[in-house]
Amino acid sequence: QSALTQPPSVSGSPGQSVTLSCTGSSRDIGAHKYVSWYQQYPGAAPKLLLSEVSNRPSGVPDRFSGSKSGNTASLTISGLQPEDEADYYCCASIGDTSLVFGGGTKLTVL
Amino acid sequence: DVQLMQSGGGMVQRGGSLRLSCEVSGLELRTVTMNWVRQAPGKGLEWIAHISTPTPFTYYAASVEGRFTVSRDNAKNSVFLQMDNLKNEDTAVYYCARGGLTTVGYYWGQGSLVTVSS
Repeated sequence: QSALTQPPSVSGSPGQSVTLSCTGSSRDIGAHKYVSWYQQYPGAAPKLLLSEVSNRPSGVPDRFSGSKSGNTASLTISGLQPEDEADYYCCASIGDTSLVFGGGTKLTVL
Repeated sequence: DVQLMQSGGGMVQRGGSLRLSCEVSGLELRTVTMNWVRQAPGKGLEWIAHISTPTPFTYYAASVEGRFTVSRDNAKNSVFLQMDNLKNEDTAVYYCARGGLTTVGYYWGQGSLVTVSS
């Protein structure tokens, strides 16, 4: 199964909004609501930001939001802050037996 | 608090074996499904294995199918990843994660570095 497609890098200035995309196919993202997003700092384990497209776990700021249209999911970060500089990964279910990640997007806060 | 504590990483020769452990605290392992995810140096995340509950059905990525085995010991609140016939391309940081086949990881271990040498 091919990885989901994410732009390698995105940048924005503090206070701005940025949107990170994650493109799959009708077999994964387009088939259901099971898309999740993760934030990872260098040398650290990933952290769940959103599950089922747009559900935020307790403790994740509401600056992070998610959406999906067709085969593409999106993560929007509003009011960009310096600490948002990290790598971001999307992940989707494939049927009932596997999962696939995107290649990751490095977010730079200018 | 839920915590996942990993152990068992290290260096191994190509063709060798290694077993990773992941001890869960703060919840009863028998009630949750678990995943293993890896990250090669400088690369992205790759899901590699899942084990369900209560029946321990297992699922694997094609890249490790037939070589890796995931298991669980609910009495020890631990999940294991037995890695056999290791290849150079298996060199990575391995993470255990509390999650299912819809959301890969609600909670994550700290990671275990596995280095396969020629």
